[in-house]
Amino acid sequence: GAGVSQSPRYKVAKRGQDVALRCDPISGHVSLFWYQQALGQGPEFLTYFQNEAQLDKSGLPSDRFFAERPEGSVSTLKIQRTQQEDSAVYLCASSPGGGLGETQYFGPGTRLLVL
Amino acid sequence: GENVEQHPSTLSVQEGDSAVIKCTYSDSASNYFPWYKQELGKGPQLIIDIRSNVGEKKDQRIAVTLNKTAKHFSLHITETQPEDSAVYFCAKGNNDMRFGAGTRLTVKP
Repeated sequence: GAGVSQSPRYKVAKRGQDVALRCDPISGHVSLFWYQQALGQGPEFLTYFQNEAQLDKSGLPSDRFFAERPEGSVSTLKIQRTQQEDSAVYLCASSPGGGLGETQYFGPGTRLLVL
Repeated sequence: GENVEQHPSTLSVQEGDSAVIKCTYSDSASNYFPWYKQELGKGPQLIIDIRSNVGEKKDQRIAVTLNKTAKHFSLHITETQPEDSAVYFCAKGNNDMRFGAGTRLTVKP
């Protein structure tokens, strides 16, 4: 079956521009996660949804970052007024239920470069 | 959740040899410890995981051991093959998963 998909795969933005990154989770998956992965580092947790509810946004680095999942399926991560330090790969993952310690299935990521 | 320390950062082995990667953590709340393999340009893919009520788990050439008292867990790959070359990440936690910094494994043919 189809895995997690993300679009665009690559995005170049000028400093100060707003960007929107899309995640399509595996169909039927209740939980959705966003991570930021800097070059040569492990993924860092940003935020987590269970259905449409954003249950944890403790990892969002600033109020320029905003995520939504209005219908409990597709999610969008929005970054306003992008800065060079926002350059990273943004990974989305989903898991079947809302339970703790479930396997998370990752998408291929969106590579964001802010010039 | 707190971070995970992962060692080594790079590991080079000869085809057929074993590879071991170790991770340590400091909090006691975590009950789930997955390992991911990431190839260039791709997202992390789960290769094996272990939960806190189990000390060891094996899947063909891959095994993971967990010592909750000492707060460390390890990945063991036996009979390594060139296609095992990738970056491996340990992780811990529940929904707010915390990852190690990664180990770049190179298997030389």
